[in-house]
Amino acid sequence: GEDVEQSLFLSVREGDSSVINCTYTDSSSTYLYWYKQEPGAGLQLLTYIFSNMDMKQDQRLTVLLNKKDKHLSLRIADTQTGDSAIYFCAESYSSGNTPLVFGKGTRLSVIA
Amino acid sequence: NAGVTQTPKFRVLKTGQSMTLLCAQDMNHEYMYWYRQDPGMGLRLIHYSVGEGTTAKGEVPDGYNVSRLKKQNFLLGLESAAPSQTSVYFCASRSWIGELFFGEGSRLTVL
Repeated sequence: GEDVEQSLFLSVREGDSSVINCTYTDSSSTYLYWYKQEPGAGLQLLTYIFSNMDMKQDQRLTVLLNKKDKHLSLRIADTQTGDSAIYFCAESYSSGNTPLVFGKGTRLSVIA
Repeated sequence: NAGVTQTPKFRVLKTGQSMTLLCAQDMNHEYMYWYRQDPGMGLRLIHYSVGEGTTAKGEVPDGYNVSRLKKQNFLLGLESAAPSQTSVYFCASRSWIGELFFGEGSRLTVL
């Protein structure tokens, strides 16, 4: 079955780069996503990448996809205290009927 | 646009009581989902729907029922609440590219 794995915690200093890693098991994934959850709120889509791409950059965010190793990473440059949140990796397949599979989330703490 | 709205946001129940959580979306999405979030467990899918009149079981469906009588609404019911159902419940609807839009969550405590 499908499985998405993430480390549970990451702590960085303000101004440093953060790298959150994720591994997935199903090579037929079509889209891979990063969601952000701030305290007391629902998840919000941060960025996504198609499985035929290796990298996507969006301002301070860089997503890297290694399909051979089934490894996805999210890099946040110049991490700010407002980036403190839980980050979820998720995968989906070409069939829209199949629900997204989420990792357990990585809690990012930014130290001022 | 309101997006996805969940009611109620907070509820305390006694063991054995029943209740219904309501999710409403105004984006005309076909797919809707109910998740529960518990510490250290991430998000777990309870039930989902791929269109009006359809429902399907997710990862943890036991103790819950759902209905999708109207496209914009997805109801989650607990017939006989148990302390193990104390959790934060999230509803979501899905766009065509797979982006999920989440509600703000409903915090349920079962005593």
